[in-house]
Amino acid sequence: DAGVIQSPRHEVTEMGQEVTLRCKPISGHDYLFWYRQTMMRGLELLIYFNNNVPIDDSGMPEDRFSAKMPNASFSTLKIQPSEPRDSAVYFCASSFFGYEAFFGQGTRLTVV
Amino acid sequence: AQSVAQPEDQVNVAEGNPLTVKCTYSVSGNPYLFWYVQYPNRGLQFLLKYITGDNLVKGSYGFEAEFNKSQTSFHLKKPSALVSDSALYFCAVRDLGDYKLSFGAGTTVTVRA
Repeated sequence: DAGVIQSPRHEVTEMGQEVTLRCKPISGHDYLFWYRQTMMRGLELLIYFNNNVPIDDSGMPEDRFSAKMPNASFSTLKIQPSEPRDSAVYFCASSFFGYEAFFGQGTRLTVV
Repeated sequence: AQSVAQPEDQVNVAEGNPLTVKCTYSVSGNPYLFWYVQYPNRGLQFLLKYITGDNLVKGSYGFEAEFNKSQTSFHLKKPSALVSDSALYFCAVRDLGDYKLSFGAGTTVTVRA
């Protein structure tokens, strides 16, 4: 398996624009997690899914953030409208039965 | 609520010397504990985990960790560090029955030649 695949690797956008981050989890994994990493706040869990169903979105910072998982092999994290404070590295991770999570390479988002 | 503390922001060791990265945790029930490593501009890589059983857990790249329930600790160790071990290390915990992983702030390890 190629591991967790995220796209794009880098995204630069202007404030107010919509941003969509994509993730393909490892085949057979039933949990999917979205994390955000910043120097100030470290790694924060934004939302996680079990069998494509959102279980806990308490970490989603604002209504500007939304996440979907339409099927077992694809998830998106959308920010609309984007703001400079959203600049961070966003990681997707997947796991089987909630054991060790395997992380993608991340998307470095810069909002100018 | 669950949480993880990594008391050292940085650890510096000479190549060939033992390496220890400290981690303490807090959970309401039985912990699942993990160590991850992150190299610059890369995602987190899984090193090892403790779920149950033997308190000494062996993982990838010669790393091991010891679970100590009375001290609520899960320190990462390597008997002989390599320059290539220089990276950012994260300890993580989840409570049995809760699938959220909580990460520590991370410890930057620098191994000098």
